[in-house]
Amino acid sequence: DADVTQTPRNRITKTGKRIMLECSQTKGHDRMYWYRQDPGLGLRLIYYSFDVKDINKGEISDGYSVSRQAQAKFSLSLESAIPNQTALYFCATSEGRASNAYNEQFFGPGTRLTVL
Amino acid sequence: DAKTTQPNSMESNEEEPVHLPCNHSTISGTDYIHWYRQLPSQGPEYVIHGLTSNVNNRMASLAIAEDRKSSTLILHRATLRDAAVYYCICLNRDDKIIFGKGTRLHILP
Repeated sequence: DADVTQTPRNRITKTGKRIMLECSQTKGHDRMYWYRQDPGLGLRLIYYSFDVKDINKGEISDGYSVSRQAQAKFSLSLESAIPNQTALYFCATSEGRASNAYNEQFFGPGTRLTVL
Repeated sequence: DAKTTQPNSMESNEEEPVHLPCNHSTISGTDYIHWYRQLPSQGPEYVIHGLTSNVNNRMASLAIAEDRKSSTLILHRATLRDAAVYYCICLNRDDKIIFGKGTRLHILP
């Protein structure tokens, strides 16, 4: 079984609709992240959470919100989807212990979102 | 995070070594150098990391310049499966990762 799962894997929606992308992990990691990737560009950080009570904005948080329901779950919401939010979305996790000197991240398989 | 500069793309022949360069002239003393790669249609995966000394693991080697302003990821014997986008990142323990555009590596059979 995959350690980091994302649902749905693919989604087509219309402008103005509310969309939620979900991420679950079984790695027991404290830290979780949401990224988006557009064609020809690298990944850009949307939001990240270092523990259940911690939420931080990344590079491109406008138009998005997140919820950290539990250590294992981190959801990304688009309150009113628009076409330029069409992208590939990745969730990632990493350990938060002080002993982790290098913060390796583990990525999910991605969610392809199309906003018409 | 220190800014990194990588070539947009590189080509290599199958079964030959590949050297992927990265410049990070503003790296701080506590920044680690990380490499990730993204295979087609997949999320990024960790490759290797280092601080000052050269590092080897089952996937690759990392050669770090003595002044730490540059590094090179070495794939000793490229296979078609190594075709991917390779990202060089500098960060310290509490930083979130900021990905650049990386280097797209093409492997020629």
